[in-house]
Amino acid sequence: SQQGEEDPQALSIQEGENATMNCSYKTSINNLQWYRQNSGRGLVHLILIRSNEREKHSGRLRVTLDTSKKSSSLLITASRAADTASYFCATVSDTGRRALTFGSGTRLQVQP
Amino acid sequence: ETGVTQSPTHLIKTRGQQVTLRCSSQSGHNTVSWYQQALGQGPQFIFQYYREEENGRGNFPPRFSGLQFPNYSSELNVNALELDDSALYLCASSPGLAVNEQFFGPGTRLTVL
Repeated sequence: SQQGEEDPQALSIQEGENATMNCSYKTSINNLQWYRQNSGRGLVHLILIRSNEREKHSGRLRVTLDTSKKSSSLLITASRAADTASYFCATVSDTGRRALTFGSGTRLQVQP
Repeated sequence: ETGVTQSPTHLIKTRGQQVTLRCSSQSGHNTVSWYQQALGQGPQFIFQYYREEENGRGNFPPRFSGLQFPNYSSELNVNALELDDSALYLCASSPGLAVNEQFFGPGTRLTVL
């Protein structure tokens, strides 16, 4: 079963605009990760944020984590057509299974 | 450094058949995890192997089984295929058991007719 939901399910923006995706999860976590997937191929790791962190940056990416609300957001600034992909959040539980539990994903379309 | 590779890329089987999917982990990685991704969904964890032993399993029936070899490559076997087994199968490798960044292969697209 999926850990949680991502919002929106689909997002279409113009090149140069910012894209924000949200992720909610259900259980307490050790860390939360964001992955990108192009056209049903393999996933590429973007960024990891630990449960004791609130914000993290990597290039044009900014991730926030609110453990009290069990939610995270991914901001992509100054988007490019090449950012068109599906984006998934994935959580790692702080107890038990050492595997990623993925959300349902946000499909981002960046129009040139 | 070689990344994670999977074979075959695509596969078509009929209901009731058996299939074996293969994964070669990234150099230096001793942990392999397998995921099933149905169309339009996020990946779901099938199981994980660490140093040739199963180290956790998701909500998949016993007809999903696996192996990890001494060189840390891995196989996913599915018996008695069902139509709902049609999906993209992804393997991911990582160094050790801590679930930080996982390195995914390109996946095998399985179609069951």
